[in-house]
Amino acid sequence: QLQLQESGPGLVKPSETLSLTCTVSGDSISRSNYYWGWIRKPPGKGLEWIGSIYYSGHTYYNPSLKSRVTISIDTSKIQFSLKLNSVTAADTAMYYCARDLGSGSNYAFDIWGQGTMVTVSS
Amino acid sequence: QAGLTQPPSVSKGLRQTATLTCTGNSNNVGNQGAAWLQQHQGHPPKLLSYRNNSRPSGISERFSASRSGNTASLTITGLQPEDEADYYCSAWDSSLSGVVFGGGTKLTVL
Repeated sequence: QLQLQESGPGLVKPSETLSLTCTVSGDSISRSNYYWGWIRKPPGKGLEWIGSIYYSGHTYYNPSLKSRVTISIDTSKIQFSLKLNSVTAADTAMYYCARDLGSGSNYAFDIWGQGTMVTVSS
Repeated sequence: QAGLTQPPSVSKGLRQTATLTCTGNSNNVGNQGAAWLQQHQGHPPKLLSYRNNSRPSGISERFSASRSGNTASLTITGLQPEDEADYYCSAWDSSLSGVVFGGGTKLTVL
């Protein structure tokens, strides 16, 4: 059974870089037809897609965050990572990683991690 | 980034039917339809429907999705207390080359 688990610091200082990792277990991250994505939910607000990556390394990002975001996938293909630089309080949110079903399925996210709360504060 | 439009809240009685809407445009909902997710407080979202009305394994038939033009709908029949949650729609936007979400609808089961 596929499972995803986010990990990383829960507190980041303003102007620094937020770094999170998603560990995939129960199936291969290299399976074709799937992308792997990051989504966040600020307190009291709705979901916001950050970006997604294919096992080959191809990425696509939310245009509003693109200048600050990097998503990568490791060579062992069991983890993918998010880096968001120059963070502000507006980046405080619950961050989720999820499996992205890709173009044939509305780019819907079917398997989600439990989420990790990241607070931006000095 | 422009998102999809959902009513902030809907209230319905136990065992009634609720229809939640998600309005976009021809670049997103009108092009490829929408997916629907349910989120209970303190839990990650759960996918209910995608590719207009495909349900992942384990999702009740009480949840059904449809689309008319640029508006997608999620109909929940026989409302149960556990259906009380936040519901989000999402879609691929070809003009933005990215995924957009709706602001979410809080469903209250009276």
